[in-house]
Amino acid sequence: GESVGLHLPTLSVQEGDNSIINCAYSNSASDYFIWYKQESGKGPQFIIDIRSNMDKRQGQRVTVLLNKTVKHLSLQIAATQPGDSAVYFCAENRSPGAGSYQLTFGKGTKLSVIP
Amino acid sequence: EPEVTQTPSHQVTQMGQEVILRCVPISNHLYFYWYRQILGQKVEFLVSFYNNEISEKSEIFDDQFSVERPDGSNFTLKIRSTKLEDSAMYFCASSGLRRGTGELFFGEGSRLTVL
Repeated sequence: GESVGLHLPTLSVQEGDNSIINCAYSNSASDYFIWYKQESGKGPQFIIDIRSNMDKRQGQRVTVLLNKTVKHLSLQIAATQPGDSAVYFCAENRSPGAGSYQLTFGKGTKLSVIP
Repeated sequence: EPEVTQTPSHQVTQMGQEVILRCVPISNHLYFYWYRQILGQKVEFLVSFYNNEISEKSEIFDDQFSVERPDGSNFTLKIRSTKLEDSAMYFCASSGLRRGTGELFFGEGSRLTVL
């Protein structure tokens, strides 16, 4: 069936290095994608989003890339810090409505930053 | 900074009992949601609520579940007769100062343990 999933369940990076977290999606009709960060015992925290009419969007230390041709999404974190250690989820919006967000989440990638 | 608040943070109940999970969404938001996350698994959409009625619901949201906005600030999820498999973290979320805008803000979650 259609789903959003992540390529790697865990990722370890050295503090100061750049991190890249990948996500594959299979619903070509999805038009909105979000990256969330979830720290232990907390709710998902919005990081950055991108609509399907864009292929790149930058935030503070984060960049999301969208490749619609291969249905691939990535999150790049520059100069990774210990506070970036968390589980990262990509999510796609499948809601047919224009208003609400019926997000489908991927399984998550655990990012561990080595000091 | 405005936030979504949830109570209780943890509830333990016996199988077959009714539970009510409470949420205070961000004021002026128009859409309200419940998601759940079974331990170690991905976050799953349950239901969205707009203009005092259910906007969308997933197949998980069967007849044992109901949502209500009893006043101008609270948004509740009721599970009528809990089952063991209802044990999960339940996240409330809200979005949208205007229809179709904005990110989804999640609360910290209510952990439900069914014995």
